[in-house]
Amino acid sequence: DAKTTQPTSMDCAEGRAANLPCNHSTISGNEYVYWYRQIHSQGPQYIIHGLKNNETNEMASLIITEDRKSSTLILPHATLRDTAVYYCIGSRTNTGNQFYFGTGTSLTVIP
Amino acid sequence: SQTIHQWPATLVQPVGSPLSLECTVEGTSNPNLYWYRQAAGRGLQLLFYSVGIGQISSEVPQNLSASRPQDRQFILSSKKLLLSDSGFYLCACQQGASHSDTQYFGPGTRLTVL
Repeated sequence: DAKTTQPTSMDCAEGRAANLPCNHSTISGNEYVYWYRQIHSQGPQYIIHGLKNNETNEMASLIITEDRKSSTLILPHATLRDTAVYYCIGSRTNTGNQFYFGTGTSLTVIP
Repeated sequence: SQTIHQWPATLVQPVGSPLSLECTVEGTSNPNLYWYRQAAGRGLQLLFYSVGIGQISSEVPQNLSASRPQDRQFILSSKKLLLSDSGFYLCACQQGASHSDTQYFGPGTRLTVL
């Protein structure tokens, strides 16, 4: 399973793009990169995942480097409600898809 | 899409008392189910996962146990709680077991052991 490394905290101005980096240099060829976020006292919320290609959905964009050793989650226009802890996770499958969460990045969106 | 229910939402228990947390899932069949724990200020720790009825895999040895008596029911138990069992317990569900299958989380149970 890939170990992921993220900055402990980041700030972003409201309305600007939030770019959250993640290093996953040990990721294997069939492991996906997942992003979740957790607002205080709630369950983690799925954001996006990808394997090789960049991905975009209604919440965010995921940019994965060609060597797959790092990725960036982009929230294009951050709002105050995007303040949360963001987790970058590499998946692992034996018989079940186990996720191993680190401590994530605490993103604060500033008015 | 699946919906995950957890109860109770909050629980305060004395040390040495038993524990039973329940997770039920709607809107899917034969899912993979997971129990995570989050200590205060920490990330999520995977405790147990199940790929089918009666099939439980433990990630971390401790005084907790899990059971899956029905396809969409996952129970976390303890015979005697410790102070260190305090935390936020999350149940997650995944349809399928490949790397591309997303896990979805329930609202969680906040357990305080005194």
